[in-house]
Amino acid sequence: RKEVEQDPGPFNVPEGATVAFNCTYSNSASQSFFWYRQDCRKEPKLLMSVYSSGNEDGRFTAQLNRASQYISLLIRDSKLSDSATYLCVVISGAGSYQLTFGKGTKLSVIP
Amino acid sequence: EADIYQTPRYLVIGTGKKITLECSQTMGHDKMYWYQQDPGMELHLIHYSYGVNSTEKGDLSSESTVSRIRTEHFPLTLESARPSHTSQYLCASSVQNYGYTFGSGTRLTVV
Repeated sequence: RKEVEQDPGPFNVPEGATVAFNCTYSNSASQSFFWYRQDCRKEPKLLMSVYSSGNEDGRFTAQLNRASQYISLLIRDSKLSDSATYLCVVISGAGSYQLTFGKGTKLSVIP
Repeated sequence: EADIYQTPRYLVIGTGKKITLECSQTMGHDKMYWYQQDPGMELHLIHYSYGVNSTEKGDLSSESTVSRIRTEHFPLTLESARPSHTSQYLCASSVQNYGYTFGSGTRLTVV
């Protein structure tokens, strides 16, 4: 089993739709979790950290389920500008600095 | 304004040439990383450093080498470029348990 797994998509959704991505991780000792966004031919950029209690930033909601070892990202009221690849990222182990990236889920928001 | 800088942004070079990709950050981060990413594909860690005079190879075997003589500088060198080295190279830095900040990348083409 890979350390971090994501459905590669693509997810093709109409503007205004709600879309959710899941990401599973294999290391139960994983400490920190993030969602990154990567536009075509650009560098990944931090979208949001994922906290145990769940967190929301505008139209974006991230949640962590430690029991089932997955994190999720919910995007409400999708915009055309949300089209990108969303990378799930995990730091495993206390004191660890190295991030493990998922392969990414591609989202296309269609007019 | 970027806090981590990569130069050159684009490089087209002939087979057999020696090249150095530059990466500098102004955030005082101890940890720095080099990733290789082909278009539409996942990120692969090729080198990392946890501080001055510390360098390690990553998950993906690479013919490149790195050095870390100063905290802010983490150059990557290819002694003899080949067409198989054509890719995008992304530099990143981090602090413990926080996400990465990526540079804009160097898109390398070896002809």
